[in-house]
Amino acid sequence: GAVVSQHPSRVICKSGTSVKIECRSLDFQATTMFWYRQFPKQSLMLMATSNEGSKATYEQGVEKDKFLINHASLTLSTLTVTSAHPEDSSFYICSARGDRGLTEAFFGQGTRLTVV
Amino acid sequence: KQEVTQIPAALSVPEGENLVLNCSFTDSAIYNLQWFRQDPGKGLTSLLLIQSSQREQTSGRLNASLDKSSGRSTLYIAASQPGDSATYLCAVRRGIDYGQNFVFGPGTRLSVLP
Repeated sequence: GAVVSQHPSRVICKSGTSVKIECRSLDFQATTMFWYRQFPKQSLMLMATSNEGSKATYEQGVEKDKFLINHASLTLSTLTVTSAHPEDSSFYICSARGDRGLTEAFFGQGTRLTVV
Repeated sequence: KQEVTQIPAALSVPEGENLVLNCSFTDSAIYNLQWFRQDPGKGLTSLLLIQSSQREQTSGRLNASLDKSSGRSTLYIAASQPGDSATYLCAVRRGIDYGQNFVFGPGTRLSVLP
């Protein structure tokens, strides 16, 4: 299957700082990327969807000014958590869908964010 | 609004047992259903993908079935091994359109004891 690489896998940051998470499709062009968040012992919840070159569409309850998504190229999307708070500590996973057919989405390895 | 549930929430079995994980969804208008495996602190590994027109898919010791009209899918694991220990998630997609992405179930935590 196609490969989606997410970086970093773990990050610890101080409250009030910003953190950037990268999601790359390594062997295909990702026309659409999705960002999910998973709190402990809960399922993944979709945060936002982005198409290359367009503004992201955020799910209800997700602050677009806090979670900045940039999908500037067909192989890279970034999620920036701005002014991080401890309650933003979570597991963030991206998935990508693209020119390999629309039937399947491929997931990154996830990023464990801890805000202290 | 689509809701996905999974039963049981957790399961502990001795090695070698055959087992069944259940997934239910409330809206039968799905595009496909996918089973994933998630190891602690890790991302998702896709196990099986079933299109809405299909009834089952098999890969090795895994078999997934889909009954779209009743809103159910099962994942059958034959001859379980300790390496199968993980959380298993099912997810449904409403369509391939922009924004029509996955709705995940809460997962079943599986422990296979040696």
